[in-house]
Amino acid sequence: DAKTTQPPSMDCAEGRAANLPCNHSTISGNEYVYWYRQIHSQGPQYIIHGLKNNETNEMASLIITEDRKSSTLILPHATLRDTAVYYCIVRVAGTSYDKVIFGPGTSLSVIP
Amino acid sequence: DAGVIQSPRHEVTEMGQEVTLRCKPISGHNSLFWYRQTMMRGLELLIYFNNNVPIDDSGMPEDRFSAKMPNASFSTLKIQPSEPRDSAVYFCASSLRQGASPLHFGNGTRLTVT
Repeated sequence: DAKTTQPPSMDCAEGRAANLPCNHSTISGNEYVYWYRQIHSQGPQYIIHGLKNNETNEMASLIITEDRKSSTLILPHATLRDTAVYYCIVRVAGTSYDKVIFGPGTSLSVIP
Repeated sequence: DAGVIQSPRHEVTEMGQEVTLRCKPISGHNSLFWYRQTMMRGLELLIYFNNNVPIDDSGMPEDRFSAKMPNASFSTLKIQPSEPRDSAVYFCASSLRQGASPLHFGNGTRLTVT
């Protein structure tokens, strides 16, 4: 079973920030939080990951709570092309045990 | 960087036939994953390899499914015999198994079994 829970769907107005929450209350100290998105039936695309600190790249920002039990992916200015299913997963770094499980994710609809 | 390459992109076959899906991971990556995606069940992990060795195949649905990784640059997922319920999109992903490297997915193979 997936170790994360996400709302099944969200809407966001075009041009506004999209804030996608993820709960990972059983995360272990050596597990990273990763975010992916999947557009139509393409392969999931990596967005960002983090361990403890907040992270930002050209696509998004990742805010991880201090207790690491939840996180939020922020798309600062959502466009219609950001309509996709967004997956939050946790993954242990650097070991051979690597059972990466995806949950159902959040279906984000960006509305004009 | 050519990314993860899967072939074929589409496969249509009749029930009972053997199907072989192929994957070429990103050069240098030492972990490889096979996933299956359907509307009903979402993205399911079938099997993953580390340094060409299968680590966990508990997601393989039944004995009709088998996967091999004969070398670091090639993997196959075989279904024999195929059944209509095997119709799905099959994804391959690869990763460096060190640090916090992300998974990189291929574009998938859409399998239809009639």
